[in-house]
Amino acid sequence: KNEVEQSPQNLTAQEGEFITINCSYSVGISALHWLQQHPGGGIVSLFMLSSGKKKHGRLIATINIQEKHSSLHITASHPRDSAVYICAGDTGNQFYFGTGTSLTVIP
Amino acid sequence: ETGVTQSPTHLIKTRGQQVTLRCSSQSGHNTVSWYQQALGQGPQFIFQYYREEENGRGNFPPRFSGLQFPNYSSELNVNALELDDSALYLCASSLGGAGYGYTFGSGTRLTVV
Repeated sequence: KNEVEQSPQNLTAQEGEFITINCSYSVGISALHWLQQHPGGGIVSLFMLSSGKKKHGRLIATINIQEKHSSLHITASHPRDSAVYICAGDTGNQFYFGTGTSLTVIP
Repeated sequence: ETGVTQSPTHLIKTRGQQVTLRCSSQSGHNTVSWYQQALGQGPQFIFQYYREEENGRGNFPPRFSGLQFPNYSSELNVNALELDDSALYLCASSLGGAGYGYTFGSGTRLTVV
């Protein structure tokens, strides 16, 4: 069992749909990161959370420390949101990555 | 534009050779982490350096080694390359440890033949 589990692995949505990606972790972490990776490999850090909720544009990330669970939400999804979304637990000197959620948004 | 620069962008090496990958951290960042991402897989943490000292390591053999320099730039060295070392190698820099966000480089694509 991986220390960080993501679901779903693959997700296809129609443009405009509300999307949720889930992440559960079993290790003690100081922060949880949500990353976006486009084809070609470049990674962009979307959020870093240690508690509560953060919002940036159409993206919202939440974390529940007691339940060891985080969610990434995308409102009014758009084809340019198509990418792999990865959550990663940060212990302070080690990262544990989820396997990623491949999102395709169809026009 | 990302503040983390990796070089080279692509590299082809022969099995058994050694390789050095380089990472220039974002200005002011004193922590750098390296990751290996095989094709179709999620990233795997290799190690992290903080102020020139290794302060965390994932499940990688000793032939994966690193350095961080006084200007906080970093190198990843891999000896005795194996075919399975073919992957995208990413570095990310941060100011301090947990509690600060990371900026990722675009990666070095290593192919071992």
